[in-house]
Amino acid sequence: AQTVTQSQPEMSVQEAETVTLSCTYDTSESDYYLFWYKQPPSRQMILVIRQEAYKQQNATENRFSVNFQKAAKSFSLKISDSQLGDAAMYFCAYSPTGGAGSYQLTFGKGTKLSVIP
Amino acid sequence: EAGVAQSPRYKIIEKRQSVAFWCNPISGHATLYWYQQILGQGPKLLIQFQNNGVVDDSQLPKDRFSAERLKGVDSTLKIQPAKLEDSAVYLCASSGGTGFSDTQYFGPGTRLTVL
Repeated sequence: AQTVTQSQPEMSVQEAETVTLSCTYDTSESDYYLFWYKQPPSRQMILVIRQEAYKQQNATENRFSVNFQKAAKSFSLKISDSQLGDAAMYFCAYSPTGGAGSYQLTFGKGTKLSVIP
Repeated sequence: EAGVAQSPRYKIIEKRQSVAFWCNPISGHATLYWYQQILGQGPKLLIQFQNNGVVDDSQLPKDRFSAERLKGVDSTLKIQPAKLEDSAVYLCASSGGTGFSDTQYFGPGTRLTVL
């Protein structure tokens, strides 16, 4: 079974600074998707960024970028120029691409990010 | 485009009572998911629907939980009878529209408290 591990229960960052959230995963598949979701205190889970495992290029979305290391099964999220609105729980998630359980998400336990003004 | 709708947003019940949650996915999304999120943890999949058929319900406690998706659109998740350990946020998500079919979009959730 796939597992997702987020080893940092809490992180903090100064406004306008950069922070990196860590995620590792375990799978025997060669093709899959990886996601970072943000969950603000209001609870609505919002997609931040997605990565397709067969693509070597790291995904970027504005101030958010990932460092995808397939061999190491590592998928970290970098937030640049942190803003107060970035404060939230961040979840790393994995999904297979096909077959049984396709697109089902397995989540890590989350990292609570605080942004200090 | 309207997002995933869920109701109610909050529910408090006594143990052994029954409760039902409703979800309306994004229009055109064929796949619908129900997750349970216990405080301090990531969401855990309970059941996945493709149109009105069940794809996977292996993690659904079938002795007390049931779910259906009428006409391949709205879905209802029911718990009967509820236990204390069912206190959690129940999230509904959908996927499969014109964008990335693999990407799930979540509703605001229903926070259930069982006393």
